[in-house]
Amino acid sequence: NAGVTQTPKFQVLKTGQSMTLQCAQDMNHEYMSWYRQDPGMGLRLIHYSVGAGITDQGEVPNGYNVSRSTTEDFPLRLLSAAPSQTSVYFCASSSFRRGGASYGYTFGSGTRLTVV
Amino acid sequence: GNSVTQMEGPVTLSEEAFLTINCTYTATGYPSLFWYVQYPGEGLQLLLKATKADDKGSNKGFEATYRKETTSFHLEKGSVQVSDSAVYFCALTDRGSTLGRLYFGRGTQLTVWP
Repeated sequence: NAGVTQTPKFQVLKTGQSMTLQCAQDMNHEYMSWYRQDPGMGLRLIHYSVGAGITDQGEVPNGYNVSRSTTEDFPLRLLSAAPSQTSVYFCASSSFRRGGASYGYTFGSGTRLTVV
Repeated sequence: GNSVTQMEGPVTLSEEAFLTINCTYTATGYPSLFWYVQYPGEGLQLLLKATKADDKGSNKGFEATYRKETTSFHLEKGSVQVSDSAVYFCALTDRGSTLGRLYFGRGTQLTVWP
């Protein structure tokens, strides 16, 4: 099925461990983003990419790295996990029409991460 | 800058009641506007969208009209069902230098009782 695939769905880490959250889309979308969702905080943008080889920071980038070597994949790396990174992480992708009107983002089903 | 403000919840309604969730926005350019819905334990799904002034987005009985003069995109449904219980997010993407970024409101929890 076409869409955005995130793995894993659940993960428990110890403080200081590193890991990579995977995100892949098969819709040939140029734009991809990572968000975290916390109670009472809504969704906050971590990093985003406007195409292969191009990434930029969002609102809360500290402690996270990204790269975009292909159009399809946009992994999110936690360098040294902290309890404050306990959250639900969503990956999303989109394409835009010429002139900038958006078709709307497609979201993955999320990764629930707990750091103990 | 760009931002979205939506009414705080939670909103609790009886089945078949009329729903309005208010959303206003600030944008530096000419945004596209969205409503997303998140059912318990799931990711966000695009509910409807509008890309220019006076456009009306609609889906599953929900509607929202892009009002440039009032910078609003209020979500409405004439008769809600228990299955509409979810969190609803208003969002925008702008053009120009911030193209590609999606700006969200805080979300509104809707609970519909039978």
